[in-house]
Amino acid sequence: QQQVKQSPQSLIVQKGGISIINCAYENTAFDYFPWYQQFPGKGPALLIAIRPDVSEKKEGRFTISFNKSAKQFSLHIMDSQPGDSATYFCAATAPSIKAAGNKLTFGGGTRVLVKP
Amino acid sequence: NAGVTQTPKFQVLKTGQSMTLQCAQDMNHNSMYWYRQDPGMGLRLIYYSASEGTTDKGEVPNGYNVSRLNKREFSLRLESAAPSQTSVYFCASSDGGRGRGRSEQFFGPGTRLTVL
Repeated sequence: QQQVKQSPQSLIVQKGGISIINCAYENTAFDYFPWYQQFPGKGPALLIAIRPDVSEKKEGRFTISFNKSAKQFSLHIMDSQPGDSATYFCAATAPSIKAAGNKLTFGGGTRVLVKP
Repeated sequence: NAGVTQTPKFQVLKTGQSMTLQCAQDMNHNSMYWYRQDPGMGLRLIYYSASEGTTDKGEVPNGYNVSRLNKREFSLRLESAAPSQTSVYFCASSDGGRGRGRSEQFFGPGTRLTVL
């Protein structure tokens, strides 16, 4: 059972358009929601993250929207560029009872293709 | 800084063979993680080490063992490889913050493993 469900699996957008990726979670203990970006042949890299005490976070062309009551969050890529073509993963983590270590639960990923 | 390094980059095994995937980080991070990435499944945590000297099971530990050799190195061993273990394996590390100080995970470039 996937605790973080991500959609769509893939999307194609024209240069300058808006890419929207949605995620839903079930575990109410999750309190930190990062998004990772992965280029082909590379490992994922942190893009942007949000906590549930804010409804929106923006960094450049990337915005996370968060709806705590619906247990949903989404990534918006504004003015999409060909260089944004990558796979995007949402993730979630809960407070750790151990001294250290934050285990991430990932969504299934969305492959984004931005056409020039 | 090299960040997180993984060896080998590619490996082909026959069913029943064993091998060890190596991971090292030079960021003085406390926590290290092993994930596997399969199409449509995102990244799933196999094992993690919150700090030197400790290891814990993740979501999909069956068929794997790990060793936290020292603070820098965290290896993943397949004792008897099976076709179901064909995947891309990623090692990651982080400061391992808990509570609100949740820290970023840094990923290596991955090992692509095929089990015939």
